[in-house]
Amino acid sequence: DTGVSQDPRHKITKRGQNVTFRCDPISEHNRLYWYRQTLGQGPEFLTYFQNEAQLEKSRLLSDRFSAERPKGSFSTLEIQRTEQGDSAMYLCASSLLPGEWAFNEQFFGPGTRLTVL
Amino acid sequence: RKEVEQDPGPFNVPEGATVAFNCTYSNSASQSFFWYRQDCRKEPKLLMSVYSSGNEDGRFTAQLNRASQYISLLIRDSKLSDSATYLCVVTAYGGATNKLIFGTGTLLAVQP
Repeated sequence: DTGVSQDPRHKITKRGQNVTFRCDPISEHNRLYWYRQTLGQGPEFLTYFQNEAQLEKSRLLSDRFSAERPKGSFSTLEIQRTEQGDSAMYLCASSLLPGEWAFNEQFFGPGTRLTVL
Repeated sequence: RKEVEQDPGPFNVPEGATVAFNCTYSNSASQSFFWYRQDCRKEPKLLMSVYSSGNEDGRFTAQLNRASQYISLLIRDSKLSDSATYLCVVTAYGGATNKLIFGTGTLLAVQP
């Protein structure tokens, strides 16, 4: 399967614990995005990388969240001291580098569903 | 006010029906427009891009009205397999990021 993969698919944790999710994008894709989706809502942008550089972070990304893409390939999203409000589906997407005013389709992974007890 | 607004539904329609979804967006500088489909507990997938001239893909027709900041999706001859959540999506103003801004989605349930 050459699509976007995410690991784990499900994570249940207790409040206060740290969790880390991994995303493996489509291999030739320069761009990697993280989104969060809560029940009954559409996905919300968290952050994105172009190669290894993190170029934008949403205000949704509090200090407890950190994302990395160390070699410009896979990415990790870590949440420290989890809270119940962090329970959501965390989606990763990747795309080719867009042109200045052109859009390249973002392909989504299956997501990691986080439940904080 | 949300940047992208949709009627959450659900829309319950019989097979063969025609159903229309509407969406409005608040930022007039938005660059690109899409409909994504999301099946229950699955990831979103691009259904179609939306252009001012209107575009059609089989039973699906999408339309954009920039003046009214309004996007529509029409599904003709609904199939059971069309049951899903349809997400209206715009890209952020300024092409560099290309981050997607999603509506809450409209749930469609096609009944036999």
